[in-house]
Amino acid sequence: AQTVTQSQPEMSVQEAETVTLSCTYDTSENNYYLFWYKQPPSRQMILVIRQEAYKQQNATENRFSVNFQKAAKSFSLKISDSQLGDTAMYFCAFMKLLQTGANNLFFGTGTRLTVIP
Amino acid sequence: EAQVTQNPRYLITVTGKKLTVTCSQNMNHEYMSWYRQDPGLGLRQIYYSMNVEVTDKGDVPEGYKVSRKEKRNFPLILESPSPNQTSLYFCASSSDRRPYEQYFGPGTRLTVT
Repeated sequence: AQTVTQSQPEMSVQEAETVTLSCTYDTSENNYYLFWYKQPPSRQMILVIRQEAYKQQNATENRFSVNFQKAAKSFSLKISDSQLGDTAMYFCAFMKLLQTGANNLFFGTGTRLTVIP
Repeated sequence: EAQVTQNPRYLITVTGKKLTVTCSQNMNHEYMSWYRQDPGLGLRQIYYSMNVEVTDKGDVPEGYKVSRKEKRNFPLILESPSPNQTSLYFCASSSDRRPYEQYFGPGTRLTVT
């Protein structure tokens, strides 16, 4: 199984500030995807951002951006202008691309983010 | 509306009483999978299916069964539930053409006493 590590179980940030969540992963694959998912108190799994390993450019989605360092196997999430609605559990996830269609996601243990008013 | 549905959303049961959690998707997806979420452990895959009648074990399959008789349905069966199966369960699906777009169900909170 692939290993995804999130070393920050909990973090907090002041509203309107910027916060960075860390994620590292271990793989020998060259072709894969990385994701950040958000899980608010409703427990729904919401995709925040996706990065294809073959793309050197870091993905961005509005206030969310990633720092993808392929050689270091690092994939951090930056949230700018934090809002109260960003309070949630955040999971980093890895998917290797297989011809067989086994599109399995491997998740980290999560980082609980609290945005403080 | 494209969606993955799970039933029931909440279930409290007793040790040893067989139960089934249903999962259904309306997007004609080939791939479906089950995860369990536990505090401090994240989500771990239980079983997955690449198409009808094709299933395989994930990382934590012990105590669970699945079947894929129809493309849209992928039920999770606990034949003799135990307290260590108390967890939050998620079903997910995706198409072969866009495997990176995983659709998650709303989750099923299971408590086994």
